[in-house]
Amino acid sequence: AQTVTQSQPEMSVQEAETVTLSCTYDTSESDYYLFWYKQPPSRQMILVIRQEAYKQQNATENRFSVNFQKAAKSFSLKISDSQLGDAAMYFCAYRGPYSGGGADGLTFGKGTHLIIQP
Amino acid sequence: DTEVTQTPKHLVMGMTNKKSLKCEQHMGHRAMYWYKQKAKKPPELMFVYSYEKLSINESVPSRFSPECPNSSLLNLHLHALQPEDSALYLCASSRGGLVLDTQYFGPGTRLTVL
Repeated sequence: AQTVTQSQPEMSVQEAETVTLSCTYDTSESDYYLFWYKQPPSRQMILVIRQEAYKQQNATENRFSVNFQKAAKSFSLKISDSQLGDAAMYFCAYRGPYSGGGADGLTFGKGTHLIIQP
Repeated sequence: DTEVTQTPKHLVMGMTNKKSLKCEQHMGHRAMYWYKQKAKKPPELMFVYSYEKLSINESVPSRFSPECPNSSLLNLHLHALQPEDSALYLCASSRGGLVLDTQYFGPGTRLTVL
């Protein structure tokens, strides 16, 4: 079974600074997808960024970027110019190759609670 | 538009009640999911409907019963729940198929079982 590990239960960063959240995963598949989701206290799970494993180029979405190291099975999220609105729980998630069934669900890490200090 | 709606927002029920949670999307997605999320924990997959075919997480007890009346609607029927079933129930949808298949989540239903 696939596992996703987020080793930082909580991180704190000053507003406008840069922070990196760590994620490692374990899989025997060569084709898979990785995601970072954000869940503010309002509880809506929001997609931050996604990466296809076959793409070597790291994904970027505005202030958010990933460092995808396939051989090391590492998928970290970098948030630049942190803003107060970035405060939330961040979940790293894995999805394997398409199966048309239960394997299409996401496997989540335990999450990292990000605190933004004003 | 990436909106998934869920009703009700909050639900309190007794252990002998029967209730249903509802999820709706109008993005033309062909896959829909139910997740259960306990406080301070990640979501855990309960059910997947992909092109009207149901897949079940075998650890989910039979007191939870999903239904997919059409590709836009997903229900979760609840019967004889236990207090430990109290949680946030999240619905998600995705395009389905052999593509980068991003799941979009609804706001969730907060369920309390007394």
